[in-house]
Amino acid sequence: NAGVTQTPKFRVLKTGQSMTLLCAQDMNHEYMYWYRQDPGMGLRLIHYSVGEGTTAKGEVPDGYNVSRLKKQNFLLGLESAAPSQTSVYFCASGFRGGYTFGSGTRLTVV
Amino acid sequence: AQKITQTQPGMFVQEKEAVTLDCTYDTSDQSYGLFWYKQPSSGEMIFLIYQGSYDEQNATEGRYSLNFQKARKSANLVISASQLGDSAMYFCAMREGPQGAQKLVFGQGTRLTINP
Repeated sequence: NAGVTQTPKFRVLKTGQSMTLLCAQDMNHEYMYWYRQDPGMGLRLIHYSVGEGTTAKGEVPDGYNVSRLKKQNFLLGLESAAPSQTSVYFCASGFRGGYTFGSGTRLTVV
Repeated sequence: AQKITQTQPGMFVQEKEAVTLDCTYDTSDQSYGLFWYKQPSSGEMIFLIYQGSYDEQNATEGRYSLNFQKARKSANLVISASQLGDSAMYFCAMREGPQGAQKLVFGQGTRLTINP
């Protein structure tokens, strides 16, 4: 059971470059979430999805886009990376009583 | 407005003592869920315990229990007989929102250090 898999695990981008983070889950969950975690802080919700083909904004959506074309995959895109987007990104999937997290992607924008 | 408040940035506890981590929440929903997660230095998010807003009994999972006081909107985590391996960041989280649009939001966390 893979659970929630995030790729890549590490990435260094130059300012202005674009990239896509992939989150894949094999638990048939409807709900999926993208968070960012900055040093010493809690997780802040970027975007989330309540089902295939649906997405919604969270607390800090600016500078990010998402897509959920397939139920098992939730993609987070950075169109033009900025140093302020240096962070650890977590994906989660779940249902009412429990949510499973991926191991995180450490992104550095220089 | 902060939805989840954890007022203890850091706590230091002697091994084998019990520890209570505070969490208060703010929601106008009748149906919601409360969670605690542990984040060790390795970085992964580990689910500890869940309490539904309609659950009458406090949730327990091994050494973890959730002291749920609905009227006070608090959901404190109690760890009995603390161990060195309990040293980590602990996050309180709440699931809220209508069916089909539910979000999971987190507090700022409490860093727990267990001293031998």
